[in-house]
Amino acid sequence: AAGVIQSPRHLIKEKRETATLKCYPIPRHDTVYWYQQGPGQDPQFLISFYEKMQSDKGSIPDRFSAQQFSDYHSELNMSSLELGDSALYFCASSLMAANTGELFFGEGSRLTVL
Amino acid sequence: KNQVEQSPQSLIILEGKNCTLQCNYTVSPFSNLRWYKQDTGRGPVSLTIMTFSENTKSNGRYTATLDADTKQSSLHITASQLSDSASYICVVSQNNDMRFGAGTRLTVKP
Repeated sequence: AAGVIQSPRHLIKEKRETATLKCYPIPRHDTVYWYQQGPGQDPQFLISFYEKMQSDKGSIPDRFSAQQFSDYHSELNMSSLELGDSALYFCASSLMAANTGELFFGEGSRLTVL
Repeated sequence: KNQVEQSPQSLIILEGKNCTLQCNYTVSPFSNLRWYKQDTGRGPVSLTIMTFSENTKSNGRYTATLDADTKQSSLHITASQLSDSASYICVVSQNNDMRFGAGTRLTVKP
């Protein structure tokens, strides 16, 4: 069965560069969540989308932006990268209408900022 | 096969009742285990975190237990409230990696 696909799996950038992470939810899922997990830290909720509209916003820096497209995939854009942005970025998807609350997580994208 | 299995997938209880959610994992080595509450469309909220040496941790009406030998954890909710309706996610950490359960959807009815 198809799972949540995140790309790239690994990314290395320099300070002040930009990066884009992509998340492809499970087919028919309408909700996407983004999380950031720094080394040895709890995952931090960044932002979520439902039906291509932002549904909740967490601790996402102003330098970051995200959107959900018509095919329900989502992209997290990060600009003016800082060393502290080095982290594992998880994406999760769910089907809101199913009301089961079941979340499906991707394998994560590991961003390293040098 | 998911390394973190949660059960039941969904649960409906009446307000004021207690319930227990289960988390079985195969992740090894094991760093810590967390339980999160996530409201639909919202971000997760940490409830408890336990290391290998801890076998119980409480946070208000939430009590988590951990049996590292059998690789099982449970989250017990007492005197449930309508606001407890949410997904409860078990996350097991392995060094710097995390393994997520699919969550248990709890619905509390009046």
